Amino acid sequence: SQKIEQNSEALNIQEGKTATLTCNYTNYSPAYLQWYRQDPGRGPVFLLLIRENEKEKRKERLKVTFDTTLKQSLFHITASQPADSATYLCALGDGNKLVFGAGTILRVKS
Amino acid sequence: DAGVIQSPRHEVTEMGQEVTLRCKPISGHDYLFWYRQTMMRGLELLIYFNNNVPIDDSGMPEDRFSAKMPNASFSTLKIQPSEPRDSAVYFCASSLSPQGGDYGYTFGSGTRLTVV
Repeated sequence: SQKIEQNSEALNIQEGKTATLTCNYTNYSPAYLQWYRQDPGRGPVFLLLIRENEKEKRKERLKVTFDTTLKQSLFHITASQPADSATYLCALGDGNKLVFGAGTILRVKS
Repeated sequence: DAGVIQSPRHEVTEMGQEVTLRCKPISGHDYLFWYRQTMMRGLELLIYFNNNVPIDDSGMPEDRFSAKMPNASFSTLKIQPSEPRDSAVYFCASSLSPQGGDYGYTFGSGTRLTVV
């Protein structure tokens, strides 16, 4: 069956450290993968897209990798700040729509 | 653009009542999606439209749910009759392409529905 798995437990890190979130998928062949941020009481907000032929993508303090052999994407936030605390969701294409993972809660402590 | 606008933000209704959720997508976005989010099941796609035409409604849980898009700037999701298990946050999203492309989906702030 098709699955998208993200760390089910919250990730707690200290301010200034690098946060690394994982997204694994099974029985999908996405041409690209997206990451979103969701704050409490708000809708998800698009952050980054990475295509299957791209190994790595960067945007400011964010870095995403995409390994189609491992069927995995890693999402890094460097020099993390308390304002980065949120739920982060990965999403991948399935036909003409996006399917979302359940998300990982990130808490950055000062 | 003010983004995707959903109303109401919160809705509390009694079991058996009809509920209508509303969405105004971003102008120029040809795709509109309705998602439901719960702790147990995460974000689930209910239905999506392309140029106001329903394309895939396979995620609609049952006949009690219906969605319409009478024009490019308005869509509704209706639940009749509502049941307690319908309690969730309902999101509307719009995009330029079916998988979002370089800009992803733009989501509204959601409607938190509670059926008592």
